[in-house]
Amino acid sequence: GENVEQHPSTLSVQEGDSAVIKCTYSDSASNYFPWYKQELGKRPQLIIDIRSNVGEKKDQRIAVTLNKTAKHFSLHITETQPEDSAVYFCAASIDSSASKIIFGSGTRLSIRP
Amino acid sequence: SQTIHQWPATLVQPVGSPLSLECTVEGTSNPNLYWYRQAAGRGLQLLFYSVGIGQISSEVPQNLSASRPQDRQFILSSKKLLLSDSGFYLCAWSITENTEAFFGQGTRLTVV
Repeated sequence: GENVEQHPSTLSVQEGDSAVIKCTYSDSASNYFPWYKQELGKRPQLIIDIRSNVGEKKDQRIAVTLNKTAKHFSLHITETQPEDSAVYFCAASIDSSASKIIFGSGTRLSIRP
Repeated sequence: SQTIHQWPATLVQPVGSPLSLECTVEGTSNPNLYWYRQAAGRGLQLLFYSVGIGQISSEVPQNLSASRPQDRQFILSSKKLLLSDSGFYLCAWSITENTEAFFGQGTRLTVV
């Protein structure tokens, strides 16, 4: 089955700097890759997603890149702000009758003032 | 609009006691439903998922079980809780596996 690995587990960056979180997946049939943000004590919420027919997607300060050949995808946050502090999860899923979403282990991002 | 309800928000149970966590979804039909567990400082581990009434797939063998008695109701159960069952349990739904998943508020379970 699908396995998603996420690195790093913790990340601390200076406010205003960029943060990059990387994930790899095992099943080449995976074709949907969402990223979720979980603030302390709250539920995870989708912040951006990308599908396999696209190599890069950007939404303001957040961007995601996908390399299908290498089976890895990354989240890029530019001009980080204190409110970016949270746990971020990548995930992968396959468009098939076996409907499940597999998450990475999460990255705790801290923004230093 | 669609909403997901999960309860209770917190639960403290003794070892060996039964468990029943309920999740319901409103405003959609035939959703995919999921139960995840988030241990302290760790990721989201998929426990069960369901694509329809009575259809349950288990990802991790353990003393937990899930049922879907109605289209928009998903229940997580255990006959006898273990200390290792402590964690943050999240129910989620999506239209398909390739669309956004919406999470419930979560249940923080502490087994003592």
